[in-house]
Formats: sequence, structure tokens, C-alpha cells
Amino acid sequence: DGGITQSPKYLFRKEGQNVTLSCEQNLNHDAMYWYRQDPGQGLRLIYYSQIVNDFQKGDIAEGYSVSREKKESFPLTVTSAQKNPTAFYLCASSSRDRDGDEAFFGQGTRLTVV
Amino acid sequence: QKEVEQDPGPLSVPEGAIVSLNCTYSNSAFQYFMWYRQYSRKGPELLMYTYSSGNKEDGRFTAQVDKSSKYISLFIRDSQPSDSATYLCAMSHASGGSYIPTFGRGTSLIVHP
Repeated sequence: DGGITQSPKYLFRKEGQNVTLSCEQNLNHDAMYWYRQDPGQGLRLIYYSQIVNDFQKGDIAEGYSVSREKKESFPLTVTSAQKNPTAFYLCASSSRDRDGDEAFFGQGTRLTVV
Repeated sequence: QKEVEQDPGPLSVPEGAIVSLNCTYSNSAFQYFMWYRQYSRKGPELLMYTYSSGNKEDGRFTAQVDKSSKYISLFIRDSQPSDSATYLCAMSHASGGSYIPTFGRGTSLIVHP
């Protein structure tokens, strides 16, 4: 089945640690996105990538980093510089092969700082 | 003012009711409009996708877009308890060759038996 796989589902991070969230898609989509979701705030864009080896900052990129070495993969690293990393992280992808497109989401990773 | 405004609710209705969910937006460049359903602790699931103004129907769901008023709606007919979820509107336009979705905050819907 085609889809987007995020792992792990739950992640615990100690203060001062970097952690990496995985996102893999087999939909052959060009564009991939990372969003952060906090209660009552909707989805906020962290980073996005339209093509391999290229990515752009979103609205809340500080304290995060990404890479796009393969079309299928778009991992997100939450660094120790991110002051309040506890949140639900969502990865999405879209095709960009027609006049506009719709984004499909993974099942999310819930990150908690302990 | 946020680009996309959506009342967070909660909206509580009896089973069988017609539900109306709405979003307003400020950016007239938006061309593509989406509705997602999100169950607790899950990723959003795409329900409806509409280009420009007009109506689109899919089973019990109808999406409406009124670009002149910058207003979109999702109607759910014969609502069921399984429809209880958060509904997110999203919209996008071409910007530098990309179509990055901008989301509303989501409306929490509760359908009680």
C-alpha cells in the first residue's frame, strides 16, 4: 500500500539532546513537509522540500533541521536549541504534478521532553 | 489576523443532524481548498479537495467554496458518532512553484447518539 510512514510513534527526549524523527513515503511525491501541532494552535509549518537536495524554512524553523537526500525520505532533527519541543509532529507529502495538489499525512510522532 | 480563521468549537450535535463547518480566509490568492478529518492522536485524513469556487459532493460530505466572500464550508449529512473528530480546513496557492497548505486551527465535532 502507498503511504507515508512516520517513526517512532512516541519519542522521549532528555533536555539537551538532539533527536531525529523519520518520515518515509512511497507515493513518488516530489514535495514533503513537516508540521508541528500543539493543542488549540492548528498545524504550523517547520520545513518543506520541493525536490531532492533542496529545502526551505517554514514559519517556525528555529531549533529544527532537515535533510532531503532521497526523494522518499525527509527526516527532521529536533535540536537542543528548540526551547519547547514537546508536541505532535506531522509529516506530509504532495505530488505537485497537476494544477495544485493535496497533501497526505503520516500518523505523526508525539515527542515529549523528560 | 490569521490567514485562515476557523472556530475551534467544540460543536456538539445529535446523531442524524446536518453539520456545517466553516472557514474564512484573507488571502485572495488561495485557489485550492481542502478539508481534513483528524481523530485523536492520529494524522489528518484528506476528506475533500476543491479547486476554485463551487460545490463538490462525496457521499454524506459536501464542500462549498465562495471565493468572493473568502468563505468555505463543509456539510455533513446524517451525522454519525463516528464523525466525531477535529475537522481542519486548508488552502493553498502557487508560490514560487510550490503549493504549501495553510491550515485553520481545526473545529472539534462531537456527534452524540
